[in-house]
Amino acid sequence: DIQMTQSPSSLSASVGDRVTITCRASQGISNFLAWYQQKPGKVPKLLIYAASTLQSGVPSRFSGSGSGTDFTLTISSLQPEDVATYYCQKYDSAPPTFGQGTKVEIK
Amino acid sequence: QVQLQESGPGLVKPSQTLSLTCTVSGGSISSGDHYWSWIRQPPGKGLEWIGYIYYSGSTYYNPSLKSRLSISLDTSRNQFSLRLSSVTAADTAVYYCARGKKVQLWSAIFDNWGQGTLVTVSS
Repeated sequence: DIQMTQSPSSLSASVGDRVTITCRASQGISNFLAWYQQKPGKVPKLLIYAASTLQSGVPSRFSGSGSGTDFTLTISSLQPEDVATYYCQKYDSAPPTFGQGTKVEIK
Repeated sequence: QVQLQESGPGLVKPSQTLSLTCTVSGGSISSGDHYWSWIRQPPGKGLEWIGYIYYSGSTYYNPSLKSRLSISLDTSRNQFSLRLSSVTAADTAVYYCARGKKVQLWSAIFDNWGQGTLVTVSS
């Protein structure tokens, strides 16, 4: 099975900072990559699919890029409400696999 | 607006069977555009996909759970269910049901989630 590895595992940044999270697949998955946001104590929420397509209602400060094995999620200007754990998920084929998560905190 | 709601016991004894039901409202479980899914999250840990069921009754399970797992659906009640046998403490987790938007065969993005229910395995 294809493994998904995120880095870093956690990060701390200031409000207004640009934040980048990386997700790497152990084999190529084209652009079959989604990102989810899980705020503390809440349900995961779909942010981005097809590597770079924003789900309806997601703020434009979130963006995604990449194809093949390497992907990034970028928050252009970190806001207090962005404190959460972010997960990537590959869906090129079953089983769908999540990355281990990246916890984003405010410095 | 589709809503999903998990229900079932919050405490299960080791070696017994964990059973949960997801009730879907605001949309039909018979939609050919979706895979109905179970996903779990152990306390303080990441997300693990458990399995899919399609409106036809076809299923696809996580290979690591396949020998203990059964997912079924009841279209008359707009529900789908999870049964996981021979549970251990390692099966303690928040269990989510989720709607998977079908992308291709057995491939989906999870665009709608239930609130989740904590199931603890303990004697």
